Amino acid sequence: DAGVTQSPTHLIKTRGQHVTLRCSPISGHKSVSWYQQVLGQGPQFIFQYYEKEERGRGNFPDRFSARQFPNYSSELNVNALLLGDSALYLCASILGWTVEETQYFGPGTRLLVL
Amino acid sequence: EDQVTQSPEALRLQEGESSSLNCSYTVSGLRGLFWYRQDPGKGPEFLFTLYSAGEEKEKERLKATLTKKESFLHITAPKPEDSATYLCAVQPYGQNFVFGPGTRLSVLP
Repeated sequence: DAGVTQSPTHLIKTRGQHVTLRCSPISGHKSVSWYQQVLGQGPQFIFQYYEKEERGRGNFPDRFSARQFPNYSSELNVNALLLGDSALYLCASILGWTVEETQYFGPGTRLLVL
Repeated sequence: EDQVTQSPEALRLQEGESSSLNCSYTVSGLRGLFWYRQDPGKGPEFLFTLYSAGEEKEKERLKATLTKKESFLHITAPKPEDSATYLCAVQPYGQNFVFGPGTRLSVLP
């Protein structure tokens, strides 16, 4: 079985641009979470989606948005990029909302904002 | 506010030198505590979930334990391939994961 997949693997943008990151969860998993991991720190929670509905939001500005599609894949969008948005963006796949909470992470997308 | 701290920040061991990593947490109600391993530039790899004080889980050279205030990840006779950052995360009831900053482990041959 394929694990969590994310695309692209690396991305370079300039300040003020917009970026879209994509994630496909493990087959059969219905929930995804997004995290931002700055170098040297632990992942910070951004969003969780379950059955296409937002179930949680972390302390991030409105420039960050996300959505989940009927096939349970997800997109994370970041507008008006800032230098501080440079980080590893991680997607985590979760079986369901209450059945099993262990999160399985993808390889991440490394975003560099110049 | 839910918080997770990990110590030490970095740990250097000789191959075969056993040690423990600490994860201390403050949460209103703990649903689960999770340990992950992360190699540089990669996503975290799931190791263990612990749900209640006194619980222990083992996998190869790793053993995780849980008390009401902290968790330990014991590494027995580590090998160079155990070198990685070890992340601890807590899931409070009704809330999302809170990760600690991690412990960077280096095992020298």
